[in-house]
Amino acid sequence: DGGITQSPKYLFRKEGQNVTLSCEQNLNHDAMYWYRQDPGQGLRLIYYSQIVNDFQKGDIAEGYSVSREKKESFPLTVTSAQKNPTAFYLCASSSGGTGITGTQYFGPGTRLTVL
Amino acid sequence: DAKTTQPTSMDCAEGRAANLPCNHSTISGNEYVYWYRQIHSQGPQYIIHGLKNNETNEMASLIITEDRKSSTLILPHATLRDTAVYYCIVRTPYTGNMLTFGGGTRLMVKP
Repeated sequence: DGGITQSPKYLFRKEGQNVTLSCEQNLNHDAMYWYRQDPGQGLRLIYYSQIVNDFQKGDIAEGYSVSREKKESFPLTVTSAQKNPTAFYLCASSSGGTGITGTQYFGPGTRLTVL
Repeated sequence: DAKTTQPTSMDCAEGRAANLPCNHSTISGNEYVYWYRQIHSQGPQYIIHGLKNNETNEMASLIITEDRKSSTLILPHATLRDTAVYYCIVRTPYTGNMLTFGGGTRLMVKP
């Protein structure tokens, strides 16, 4: 089955701890994205990556970090510097690297709760 | 990206066609119209997109007016599983372009 997987589905974290959210895709897509969604709100872009070993900040990158060592993987670390980390985190991918890109497809999401 | 306007909510009877409108009067020539839907607590699901011509796939049809200032998503035979929030998005297809979801239309399919 081709698609995007995110794990875990639910994640609980104590304040002051870093946590890493996994995102894997087997669609052979060049571009990958991380979004955050708060209750009743739209999506906000955290980071995106057009190609391996390259990534760019989105609108709300503070308190987050990413890496793109492999084409199929784009993990997101929520650090203790993120003031309000409790949210629904969505990973997406699209074909095309730089320039024109294809449709973005989303994973099932990870719901992070900070206790 | 151009702003879109959608009704907040709509109801549809199961088995009937659901017609979801979207206004995008400030759309520019190189912007596409995309439709996604999001079922509660799940990731958004891509439905369809188009530039000028009407489009159809296994999920839905997209009708874009000639002046491109509005469009309609048609689910030909709505089922209970089509209950979701539907988002109309207008954007240029560049990698760094954030996918901006507005309020969307909450479609309730009723038996």
